[in-house]
Amino acid sequence: ETGVTQTPRHLVMGMTNKKSLKCEQHLGHNAMYWYKQSAKKPLELMFVYSLEERVENNSVPSRFSPECPNSSHLFLHLHTLQPEDSALYLCASSHARGLTLAEAFFGQGTRLTVV
Amino acid sequence: TQLLEQSPQFLSIQEGENLTVYCNSSSVFSSLQWYRQEPGEGPVLLVTVVTGGEVKKLKRLTFQFGDARKDSSLHITAAQTGDTGLYLCAGVGIQGAQKLVFGQGTRLTINP
Repeated sequence: ETGVTQTPRHLVMGMTNKKSLKCEQHLGHNAMYWYKQSAKKPLELMFVYSLEERVENNSVPSRFSPECPNSSHLFLHLHTLQPEDSALYLCASSHARGLTLAEAFFGQGTRLTVV
Repeated sequence: TQLLEQSPQFLSIQEGENLTVYCNSSSVFSSLQWYRQEPGEGPVLLVTVVTGGEVKKLKRLTFQFGDARKDSSLHITAAQTGDTGLYLCAGVGIQGAQKLVFGQGTRLTINP
């Protein structure tokens, strides 16, 4: 039990579909993150939310759209994805206090396959 | 852009042997974290090192932060099959503090 829960664990979607990934944390953290993990590449930071405000957007294509309705929930809305978007999508949360970043706690990830 | 290079990328050894994994950068980090990730799971934090030259021990695992805070190492003594996994180092930059930069990982296999 990591305190960070992601659903679904596995998702197969067509290139014309619209789907959403969900992340929920009950650790009282104030920052949440989306990372993409592809084979043979480092974990890529996609989005950062701090106090429900997006503070980082790492040149991610617009077919990925994040949403953070409150400090406990984070969504990643997907539409018209490409096969190269297939990867493990990881959500993480942490305490962000000013310029100090505490350790990140990760969810188990959503294994996304785009067909 | 702050980059972290991990070496080796793959390591396969026998149970009982010792090993060291390295995490190097040309950039200075305010802190560095080590995670272990098992198949089908998210990374799990092992340790955070903050002070240059700091050494932390976690049972058979010894973590060291370089004096200049640009590099780190993980040493495992008498490896066990349960140590198998992907080991990731991640650095918190001195700028853009809410950005955790990851290395590409070392995939470690301990054979019985």
